[in-house]
Order: sequence, then C-alpha cells, then structure tokens
Amino acid sequence: EVQLVQSGGGLVQVGGSLRLSCAASGFIFSDYWMGWVRQAPGKGLEWVANLRQDGNDKFYADSVKGRFTISRDNARNSLLLQMNSLSVEDTAVYYCVRDKVVGASLFDSWGRGTLVTVSS
Amino acid sequence: DIQMTQSPSSLSASVGDRVTITCRASRNIIGFLNWYQQKPGKTPNLLIYGASTLQSGVPSRFTGSGSGTDFTLTISSLQPEDFATYYCQQSHTAPLTFGGGTKVES
Repeated sequence: EVQLVQSGGGLVQVGGSLRLSCAASGFIFSDYWMGWVRQAPGKGLEWVANLRQDGNDKFYADSVKGRFTISRDNARNSLLLQMNSLSVEDTAVYYCVRDKVVGASLFDSWGRGTLVTVSS
Repeated sequence: DIQMTQSPSSLSASVGDRVTITCRASRNIIGFLNWYQQKPGKTPNLLIYGASTLQSGVPSRFTGSGSGTDFTLTISSLQPEDFATYYCQQSHTAPLTFGGGTKVES
C-alpha cells in the first residue's frame, strides 16, 4: 500500500522558515516524480512544486519560486520542502503528492496534509 | 499560465440525479485534463486522468470527456458518497493549474 506520511509544519511568523517532510513507503520511491500541492483554508488546490526521480530537475509555482526549495533523498525515501521568507499568503495545508506516471504531473497518491500557519 | 474555469461553482442535486460539471481551459490542453474529488476534511482523490481514463477503483458512474479547451465530468447516478467538491487540473503546461472547484451538495 502506498503511504505518504508527512511531518513538519506548524505556526511561524512572517519572514520565518519551515521545513516539511514526507516519508514514502509501499512503492519504489526513486521511480516516481514527487511534488507538493497546497490548499489555503476554505480555498481550492494550488500546485507548489515537483521534481524528477533523480531530483535534478525541479519546477516551482511562480508564487513560491526563490523562496521554497523542493528536494528528495532517494536513499531515505523522503521528500522535503524547505520554505523560507514565509508570508501570510503561504498559510495552507500542504500535501505531499506522487506523480502517477513519469512526468505526467497528475497525482494519484496524496499525503494527509500538514497545516502551515504564517502569523503576522 | 493556463487558467482553468469550472462551472458551476456549486450545485444542488439528489441521489440518483445525473450531474455534469464543466471545465474550460484558457488555451488548448489537448487531453491533459484530470479530475479530483475531495470530501470535507479529506485528501483529494484522483478520479479521471487524460480527460477520460478512469483511475483504478473509481466507480464507472464517473465519466470524463472533452478535448482541447472544453471538458466535462459526469456522474451518471449520484450516490450519497459522491457529495464532495470536484476539481479539474491541467497537466499540459507548467505551471500546473487547478480549477476553482465545484461543490456538489444536497
């Protein structure tokens, strides 16, 4: 069974940093693109970032480019999202997602989500 | 960026109803259109990808159609467990973008 177990998140002040982690199991992690999608309270879904199997190609939404860094550790089956210079607009539930097909950018497995609250 | 516009934003339906949700892309995305279902307080769930391919385990009452800029999600006979919010997502061009969602309620 595919599992994406998220950790990290919480309350941080404007301008602060947080790191989100996602531990994957139940599939060959290094075979899949992975990414992050977020959802602000009461709002819709917003793609944040994703990266290739080897971690060498990374893609970001304009809203987070230059502030967030996605990375992965295939030896540890883990996905990370380093978030810097956080703003109130980054307040959201962040979901770790698996790309169903290499580079297809559609998400067939989702973590339970972790809430990030940025306070002014 | 490709804008995805869903309509309606919400609809009221009853069990057994046929429900149709539309999604329009701001430019041609061929068939790179996916649908997700999200129940309150739950994680989104992939229903349909490639505009019309049913994800494994998804009931056959869900169908997707369309190409180019106009797409449709149809629930042939609404079941109690189908009351949820539905999102379309284009996977043609980065940045990936989602529609605003359609809430199906009773």
